[in-house]
Amino acid sequence: AQTVTQSQPEMSVQEAETVTLSCTYDTSESDYYLFWYKQPPSRQMILVIRQEAYKQQNATENRFSVNFQKAAKSFSLKISDSQLGDAAMYFCAYRTPTVNQAGTALIFGKGTTLSVSS
Amino acid sequence: ETGVTQSPTHLIKTRGQQVTLRCSSQSGHNTVSWYQQALGQGPQFIFQYYREEENGRGNFPPRFSGLQFPNYSSELNVNALELDDSALYLCASSQGLAGGYEQYFGPGTRLTVT
Repeated sequence: AQTVTQSQPEMSVQEAETVTLSCTYDTSESDYYLFWYKQPPSRQMILVIRQEAYKQQNATENRFSVNFQKAAKSFSLKISDSQLGDAAMYFCAYRTPTVNQAGTALIFGKGTTLSVSS
Repeated sequence: ETGVTQSPTHLIKTRGQQVTLRCSSQSGHNTVSWYQQALGQGPQFIFQYYREEENGRGNFPPRFSGLQFPNYSSELNVNALELDDSALYLCASSQGLAGGYEQYFGPGTRLTVT
């Protein structure tokens, strides 16, 4: 079974600075999807960025980028020029590309709470 | 375009009771997944519905059941509520089953069991 581990329960950053959130995962599959989701205190889960395992190029979305190391099964999220609105809980998630016993469920880590100070 | 909606927002039930949570999927989406998120934890997959049929299930007992309707909205039913069922219940809809389709989440239903 696949697992996702986020080893940083809490992180903090100052406005305009850069922060990196860590994520490791375990799988025997060669093809899969990885995601970072943001959950602000208002609760609605929002997709931040996604990475297809077959793509070697790291995904980038504006101030958000990932460092995807497939061999090391590592998938970190870098937030540049941090803003107060980035404060939230961030979840790393894994998803198989095809249907299995668990459908195509997202498998989440326990999350990292990011606080941003001015 | 209307996003994923869930009702009710909050719910308080007593141990042993039954509860039904509802989810309206985003327009054009035929797949709904349900997740349980305990306080301070990541969401845990309960089950997934595709075109009115259960397509996958996580490690939850049979007292957690669901339905998907022809309009692709969905219900989550929990019987014989236990204190540990207190959590935020999230539903997510997507255009299809394949892992490449983005899952769009609703705001959740906060269930408290006393």
